[in-house]
Amino acid sequence: DIQMTQSPSFLSASIGDRVTITCQASQDIRNYLNWYQQKLGKAPKVLIYDASNLEIGAPSRFSGTGSGTNFTFTISSLQPEDIATYYCQQYDNLFTFGPGTKVDIK
Amino acid sequence: EVQLVESGGGLVQPGGSLRLSCAASGFTVSTNSMNWVRQAPGKGLEWVSLIYSGRSSYYADSVRGRFTISRDDSQNTVYLHLSSLRLEDTGVYYCARERAYNNYFDQWGQGTLVTVSS
Repeated sequence: DIQMTQSPSFLSASIGDRVTITCQASQDIRNYLNWYQQKLGKAPKVLIYDASNLEIGAPSRFSGTGSGTNFTFTISSLQPEDIATYYCQQYDNLFTFGPGTKVDIK
Repeated sequence: EVQLVESGGGLVQPGGSLRLSCAASGFTVSTNSMNWVRQAPGKGLEWVSLIYSGRSSYYADSVRGRFTISRDDSQNTVYLHLSSLRLEDTGVYYCARERAYNNYFDQWGQGTLVTVSS
């Protein structure tokens, strides 16, 4: 089974800050990685697919990079509506979600 | 409009069974891969099960042998039958569509809560 880790598990930043979340896979997953945003009490929503492709309708301040085992998700300028938990998800072998990163406003 | 609506959640005793339904509208479940994802209270997302358009099915290790995914094409509905339920199966269960030709979940239902408690 492929295990996913994320760091940090929680971060607090100011409006306008650049925010970076990392995701690591336990084995090479090529670029088979997606990023989701989940707001409190809501279903998740995909933001980035195939490691770096922005989903239609997602704001351009969200971006993703990486391949192999190391991936990065970035919010270029944090906005109040970005308060949420962010999950990475591998699909190289079925699906596994990372443990999540909760983002809050300082 | 594409929509997924889950139902069937509720309170069940350990060892009991439950059937969750995911009714789809705006697209045909038989031509898509459909998934179930769960979330324990205050915890992260856990992929549970997948049914391909050809009806092949897969399960997370934590539920294999206890849960069964199925599909009724005439009702455009996907099901998850939960049996031998454990306390740790408690959570919100989401149905999610896998986008065709991609491998991400582009449509989600609102979720249905399963509580396993004596």
